Amino acid sequence: QVQLVESGGGVVQPRTSLRLSCAASKFTFRNYGVHWVRQAPGKGLEWLAVISYDGTKTYYADSVEGRFTISRDNSKNTLYLEMNSLRPEDTAVYYCAKDRGGWGKYGMDVWGQGTTVSVSS
Amino acid sequence: QSALTQPASVSGSPGQSISISCTGTGSDVGGYNVVSWYQQHPAKAPKLIIYEVNKRPSGVSNRFSGSKSGNTASLTISGLQPDDEADYYCCSYAGGGVVFGGGTKVTVL
Repeated sequence: QVQLVESGGGVVQPRTSLRLSCAASKFTFRNYGVHWVRQAPGKGLEWLAVISYDGTKTYYADSVEGRFTISRDNSKNTLYLEMNSLRPEDTAVYYCAKDRGGWGKYGMDVWGQGTTVSVSS
Repeated sequence: QSALTQPASVSGSPGQSISISCTGTGSDVGGYNVVSWYQQHPAKAPKLIIYEVNKRPSGVSNRFSGSKSGNTASLTISGLQPDDEADYYCCSYAGGGVVFGGGTKVTVL
């Protein structure tokens, strides 16, 4: 079935970097926009970033703009999130989610299971 | 990019109908007909239940319905069932990215 699988989470120290990956399967990945969304412990969903189907357009939440970079490799059916200058408040479960359309605004119809990032000294 | 405003909690008895509001601005909810709603059970990934204000994905019960008036969108759950107890999030396109609401915990009494 249509699936997204995140990886790359872990425990890291503040001010370090981490790269998350999201592998897509059983759908035509290159046709759809894809998002990163996170959820801090006991908190709500926070949208982080979206990338268009062809990678030409990216948008970020103010909270991560300049620190996080979203990218994709359509030849590998994989989405990435490069996270720099990590802070304790970045501790969360990170989800990737497929959009229903190519430009990332029509609703997220497929979600991964999430990968946990913990930022602590 | 301010979060959309949802009530923290809503409750109802089995069989009843409840509604959850989601208030934004003319730059998000009021400016576009691309509001979506998500259901999240504890320790699970969110699930899309409404997209483009009032459309249901295949397989989602018709007990879930959505609407919008001005800057406020609403999710209605009719015939409340025990499995409807979950957190619900609205989300709106905001001219580039999207923005979520703070979430509403639905309790089935």
